[in-house]
Amino acid sequence: ILNVEQSPQSLHVQEGDSTNFTCSFPSSNFYALHWYRWETAKSPEALFVMTLNGDEKKKGRISATLNTKEGYSYLYIKGSQPEDSATYLCAFAIIQGAQKLVFGQGTRLTINP
Amino acid sequence: DAGVIQSPRHEVTEMGQEVTLRCKPISGHDYLFWYRQTMMRGLELLIYFNNNVPIDDSGMPEDRFSAKMPNASFSTLKIQPSEPRDSAVYFCASSLGEISGYTFGSGTRLTVV
Repeated sequence: ILNVEQSPQSLHVQEGDSTNFTCSFPSSNFYALHWYRWETAKSPEALFVMTLNGDEKKKGRISATLNTKEGYSYLYIKGSQPEDSATYLCAFAIIQGAQKLVFGQGTRLTINP
Repeated sequence: DAGVIQSPRHEVTEMGQEVTLRCKPISGHDYLFWYRQTMMRGLELLIYFNNNVPIDDSGMPEDRFSAKMPNASFSTLKIQPSEPRDSAVYFCASSLGEISGYTFGSGTRLTVV
């Protein structure tokens, strides 16, 4: 059974502070790692798709890194803003079934003004 | 493009009734996915299609669930007969290919009483 673990489950951060959280996944048969942002009452929105060990992706103040050998990815948010409040999901795909994503339970981030 | 369109947004039905959820993927996306979201299990993949063909339905809970994709622009998820434990948010998503992020619809919140 493929299992994707995200930590912490929830996080409160002061506005302006930077933060990061983790996604752990099985390192064997790795194909791709996705990050999604999910705001309350909306649907998940794709942030990044990463496939190569050592990949780093950036979108504005949000960036992500990938280590496929040890099976983890970090998501970083620099200078948090209230609009960053959301649940951040990671999802993992293996080679056998590259389109079949297994989602973690998410990290719920709340930015305090 | 209007994105992935799901209908209805909300459905309340009595136990034993048939429920049909509908999805229109983004034009040109070859993959379509049905996910179910619950508090206990998070986002679970039910079934996915590639070029209208069901590829993996191992996540479909039981024979009461069925999904079809008669053409590239329409898919349905049917539950018959519905049970209270089917209450959840059902998301449809589509994607371009193997290393592409998903675009999710707004979801259908199903309540079976």
